[in-house]
Amino acid sequence: GAVVSQHPSRVICKSGTSVKIECRSLDFQATTMFWYRQFPKQSLMLMATSNEGSKATYEQGVEKDKFLINHASLTLSTLTVTSAHPEDSSFYICSALPGQGHYEQYFGPGTRLTVT
Amino acid sequence: LAKTTQPISMDSYEGQEVNITCSHNNIATNDYITWYQQFPSQGPRFIIQGYKTKVTNEVASLFIPADRKSSTLSLPRVSLSDTAVYYCLVGLYNNNDMRFGAGTRLTVKP
Repeated sequence: GAVVSQHPSRVICKSGTSVKIECRSLDFQATTMFWYRQFPKQSLMLMATSNEGSKATYEQGVEKDKFLINHASLTLSTLTVTSAHPEDSSFYICSALPGQGHYEQYFGPGTRLTVT
Repeated sequence: LAKTTQPISMDSYEGQEVNITCSHNNIATNDYITWYQQFPSQGPRFIIQGYKTKVTNEVASLFIPADRKSSTLSLPRVSLSDTAVYYCLVGLYNNNDMRFGAGTRLTVKP
């Protein structure tokens, strides 16, 4: 089946620093990738939709200058949390769509970000 | 946007069949229905997808009535390891309609 990886799986950073999270589709090409954030006991919240070679589309209320998304290739999208604060601590999950008639998303294992 | 409504939680016992229903009254003609399973601190995992009638795979069945305004995920003979949150999503990917509802927290008891 389609596999999506994320790196790192866990990261702890100090307040004010930036953190980059990578999302890779390992065995398929993904023209579209999604980034979600999930707080404890809550559902996934869509942050942005990322299309290869174009600017990401952010959901209302998500600061595009704080959460930088780059989708430079058909297998890699990155999310950079800039000037992180403790309230940015969360579980970040990416997903990828194989396209070509497939409508199901394949999710990465998630990245636990803790900002101290 | 096709909004979905599911029960917040369900309890079951090992060996029982579990049916989780999702309402999506404003589903569009080209929308598919997809179900995901999520364990704590993991990304969701694709379970099953359908457009109409019945779909079955090795882990679940999906029943969709003719009006498509709801769907039912059926898990045969659940085990403790099926304890998870189950989400249904309705949409077509190129509408960017990949928003999760609250999901159903299934607890399977011994």
